[in-house]
Amino acid sequence: DVKVTQSSRYLVKRTGEKVFLECVQDMDHENMFWYRQDPGLGLRLIYFSYDVKMKEKGDIPEGYSVSREKKERFSLILESASTNQTSMYLCASSLRTGLSYEQYFGPGTRLTVT
Amino acid sequence: AQSVSQHNHHVILSEAASLELGCNYSYGGTVNLFWYVQYPGQHLQLLLKYFSGDPLVKGIKGFEAEFIKSKFSFNLRKPSVQWSDTAEYFCAVNRAGGSYIPTFGRGTSLIVHP
Repeated sequence: DVKVTQSSRYLVKRTGEKVFLECVQDMDHENMFWYRQDPGLGLRLIYFSYDVKMKEKGDIPEGYSVSREKKERFSLILESASTNQTSMYLCASSLRTGLSYEQYFGPGTRLTVT
Repeated sequence: AQSVSQHNHHVILSEAASLELGCNYSYGGTVNLFWYVQYPGQHLQLLLKYFSGDPLVKGIKGFEAEFIKSKFSFNLRKPSVQWSDTAEYFCAVNRAGGSYIPTFGRGTSLIVHP
């Protein structure tokens, strides 16, 4: 089974702090994604990576950056956390080839910025 | 840009009732279609998918969905819901053979009363 793990289930940070969210997948997937999930808004794509050191902005990249130094690991960075970044953050991975590109999700990190 | 609409944001049913959740998308070309489910406290997981062939797709836990190309729809159905089906349901679409970044609907929260 594909496994996607995230470094923390719950995180509380103060405004202005630098925050690192880590994601690791064990199925050699090329694609990795970071989403935020907010009630009534569904999943919104923050950043996407299709290969090591490659990244593309999603729909809401402002205030975030990412890093992918190894194929299995994709990090989301909040340079200076703000209260409006309080949310559930989901990491996902998928194959780059194949028929349907279904995604596999991690358990999520619920981040609270105070 | 493609978009995905889920018509029902909140659905409340009693056990044994039938379920149909609507999903419509805007892209006119060939698509891959997905329904994902998020049970309370659990990670998002694939319920079923369509990428070609029989437009009636069967998934886990007795769910099925029908792809109607002429209506740009991929509605999720279950003839008799259970309390354990209480969850959030997301429809997602991506262009077949093209982008591996899906577009998600905003989700439908389903509550099933015992």
